[in-house]
Amino acid sequence: AQTVTQSQPEMSVQEAETVTLSCTYDTSENNYYLFWYKQPPSRQMILVIRQEAYKQQNATENRFSVNFQKAAKSFSLKISDSQLGDTAMYFCAFISQGGSQGNLIFGKGTKLSVKP
Amino acid sequence: EPEVTQTPSHQVTQMGQEVILRCVPISNHLYFYWYRQILGQKVEFLVSFYNNEISEKSEIFDDQFSVERPDGSNFTLKIRSTKLEDSAMYFCASRGDRGRNSPLHFGNGTRLTVT
Repeated sequence: AQTVTQSQPEMSVQEAETVTLSCTYDTSENNYYLFWYKQPPSRQMILVIRQEAYKQQNATENRFSVNFQKAAKSFSLKISDSQLGDTAMYFCAFISQGGSQGNLIFGKGTKLSVKP
Repeated sequence: EPEVTQTPSHQVTQMGQEVILRCVPISNHLYFYWYRQILGQKVEFLVSFYNNEISEKSEIFDDQFSVERPDGSNFTLKIRSTKLEDSAMYFCASRGDRGRNSPLHFGNGTRLTVT
């Protein structure tokens, strides 16, 4: 069974600095997709970034980038130039490309606080 | 940008009562999901729905849960006889038919409180 582990329950960062959130996962599959979702206090689940496992190039979306290490099954999220609006829970999620399991599997989340 | 909408935002019910949580997925999406998040815990998959039937369900989704797409636009989750431990945020999500790389679009959630 696939699992997603986020080992940092809480983190904080000063505004304008860079922070990295860790995520590891366990799967026997070769083809899958990884996502980071953000959940601000408004409770919405907002997609931040996604990565296809078959792509070696790390995905980037403006200030957000990932460090995808397939062999190590690691998928960390880097937030550059942190802003107060980045304060939220961040969830790492996995979905397999094939097979019957078509649902996202989430980690427990990391609560990020951006301090002024 | 189209979005998934959920109603109500907060539902309070007494133990043993039936509740129906409502969702309107994005109109051209084909896959629909319900997830649950107990306070302070991770988001858990409940059920997925495609082509008017359940395609997958988790062990959480027992006989007291059911889903329905009654009219082609709404997607509902019914809990027949609520228990205290059903108190949680319930998220509806949908995605289009462009493979599993297509991200799930989530609604804002319904906070269910069972007293």
